[in-house]
Amino acid sequence: IQMTQSPSSLSASVGDRVTITCRASQSISRYLNWYQQKPGKAPILLIYDASNLQSGVPSRFSGSGSGTDFSLTISSLQPEDSATYSCQQSDSTPFTFGQGTKLEIQ
Amino acid sequence: QITLKESGPTLVKPTQTLTLTCTLSGFSINTSGVGVGWIRQPPGKALEWLALIYWDDDKRYSPSLKSRVTITKDISKNQVVLMMTNMDPVDTATYYCAHRKQGYFDYWGQGALVTVSS
Repeated sequence: IQMTQSPSSLSASVGDRVTITCRASQSISRYLNWYQQKPGKAPILLIYDASNLQSGVPSRFSGSGSGTDFSLTISSLQPEDSATYSCQQSDSTPFTFGQGTKLEIQ
Repeated sequence: QITLKESGPTLVKPTQTLTLTCTLSGFSINTSGVGVGWIRQPPGKALEWLALIYWDDDKRYSPSLKSRVTITKDISKNQVVLMMTNMDPVDTATYYCAHRKQGYFDYWGQGALVTVSS
């Protein structure tokens, strides 16, 4: 299963609402997870099973979608949200990742 | 508190075999439902899932690397080991191990950078 994210990069301002999309090459039900990764650090789980917020993750992060189309939304961008965001399908092995979306804060 | 830590060589020569160890803390690889996976990330590139082992010794591999990769567990040491044969410079990457809960990876190690060069 191939995972395609868009955009590959984006720049936004503090307070903006930002949406990143992820498309699967075939239906994966709701088995879609989102990770945040900062330079030199391991990924951090943000959202699991499409829309469930991982414990400790700020509520400005949310996820939606099912089947083949998914999105990650940050409702009000904060400076610390500058990072690369990656989706990952957990419907079937190999548990493929998207190519990542680099988010820059203007 | 669940933690994972990768260890192994930082530099390997082409054609050599890489062996990485993931030491688990706060959970047992022998507990029903537990899985531990390996994921790598070449510099500046995307994450790539490599392999996964479950508490019951069920193993899954990336088809593109299946002929080169072996994942095992050592219950007595509470460790998971990844072996990758015939290393090539394109295998230069940060290698992560991660705790798998249901379908997602909720805890990750800090990562181990492995460089393949003669």
